[in-house]
Amino acid sequence: KAGVTQTPRYLIKTRGQQVTLSCSPISGHRSVSWYQQTPGQGLQFLFEYFSETQRNKGNFPGRFSGRQFSNSRSEMNVSTLELGDSALYLCASSLGGAGTGFRDGYTFGSGTRLTVV
Amino acid sequence: GENVEQHPSTLSVQEGDSAVIKCTYSDSASNYFPWYKQELGKRPQLIIDIRSNVGEKKDQRIAVTLNKTAKHFSLHITETQPEDSAVYFCAASYNQGGKLIFGQGTELSVKP
Repeated sequence: KAGVTQTPRYLIKTRGQQVTLSCSPISGHRSVSWYQQTPGQGLQFLFEYFSETQRNKGNFPGRFSGRQFSNSRSEMNVSTLELGDSALYLCASSLGGAGTGFRDGYTFGSGTRLTVV
Repeated sequence: GENVEQHPSTLSVQEGDSAVIKCTYSDSASNYFPWYKQELGKRPQLIIDIRSNVGEKKDQRIAVTLNKTAKHFSLHITETQPEDSAVYFCAASYNQGGKLIFGQGTELSVKP
């Protein structure tokens, strides 16, 4: 079956602009989590969406936001981009329902490489 | 707050030797501990995981041990091969949702 699909793969934006990234989970997966990966900070959790609701949130400023649609696809948005937002943004999907925890298929996408200039 | 510390940050071994990577977590409520391997330019891939009701788990050349009292868990790779070269991340889960707290990563280099 198809894996987790993230689009676009690469993106270059200018400081002050905003950007929207997309994540399509594995069919049947209802949870989508987002991470920022940088050489200095490693993998940092941004937020998780489950059944169109934000279920968990990391420690990022309000410029970072997300949403999930009824088909479980998720988008994240970063407004007023800063140079420090340059990173690989990864999403991961899983079944995510009560009682499954991580038992079923927590899988990462290949990421979107965002460069802010 | 929630924190996972991982050591060492780099590890170089000869082919055939063993490699050990160690992690410490801060929240005693953590109940799930996965390990990921990330090759250059690729996505993280789960290689093994362990839950808090188990002390050790093995899968061929890879094993993970968990000491809940000390809040430590470790990855052991035996008979290393050059294709084991990658960055390895440990992580801890603090709830049943999709949130993982990652360690800083260990760059493993296996020399032929």
